[in-house]
Amino acid sequence: DSGVTQTPKHLITATGQRVTLRCSPRSGDLSVYWYQQSLDQGLQFLIQYYNGEERAKGNILERFSAQQFPDLHSELNLSSLELGDSALYFCASSRGAKNIQYFGAGTRLSVL
Amino acid sequence: LAKTTQPISMDSYEGQEVNITCSHNNIATNDYITWYQQFPSQGPRFIIQGYKTKVTNEVASLFIPADRKSSTLSLPRVSLSDTAVYYCLVQDSGAGSYQLTFGKGTKLSVIP
Repeated sequence: DSGVTQTPKHLITATGQRVTLRCSPRSGDLSVYWYQQSLDQGLQFLIQYYNGEERAKGNILERFSAQQFPDLHSELNLSSLELGDSALYFCASSRGAKNIQYFGAGTRLSVL
Repeated sequence: LAKTTQPISMDSYEGQEVNITCSHNNIATNDYITWYQQFPSQGPRFIIQGYKTKVTNEVASLFIPADRKSSTLSLPRVSLSDTAVYYCLVQDSGAGSYQLTFGKGTKLSVIP
């Protein structure tokens, strides 16, 4: 158990809808990262937050947004969903300068 | 932006030593090199991290030459349970942007 909790584990929705994925980082970790992994693809970095502030941005679509709350949990919002958004979405958290990331079990999103 | 390059796949017999090399030509001075292991439908798991020379822990060794443009993950005496995808990560701060670039990963298959 990495200590990072992601909910829900599975999400099935329709095109055009909006969903919210939730991540609770390890206790004491200030950084949260979001990744997308499509079938048989590598990890695509989406965005990083540090103590409530956006720290780094990757290939995140404009339809996607994220935030980190004062209690350090984070949410990834995906809107106007398309079939191609079906993927595993991972959250990771880290602390310290070396930024070793600990990953959650992921949320599997299926857009039908 | 720094980019990592790894072999797409490798096969090995049980009990052999496996070496996976990652190329990262544009690594920045302050970047660390981190390796992760991922099993299907699970979040990646931290294996080892280094900055230069050699690092060893209970599961692997990491060799980094003086120019730091590559790194080699060494897994001693692999078993079937080491069958997984291995990712090399360099925290990329080049070109004024902060990116987290995972390679496409190396799919290691351990054969009995």
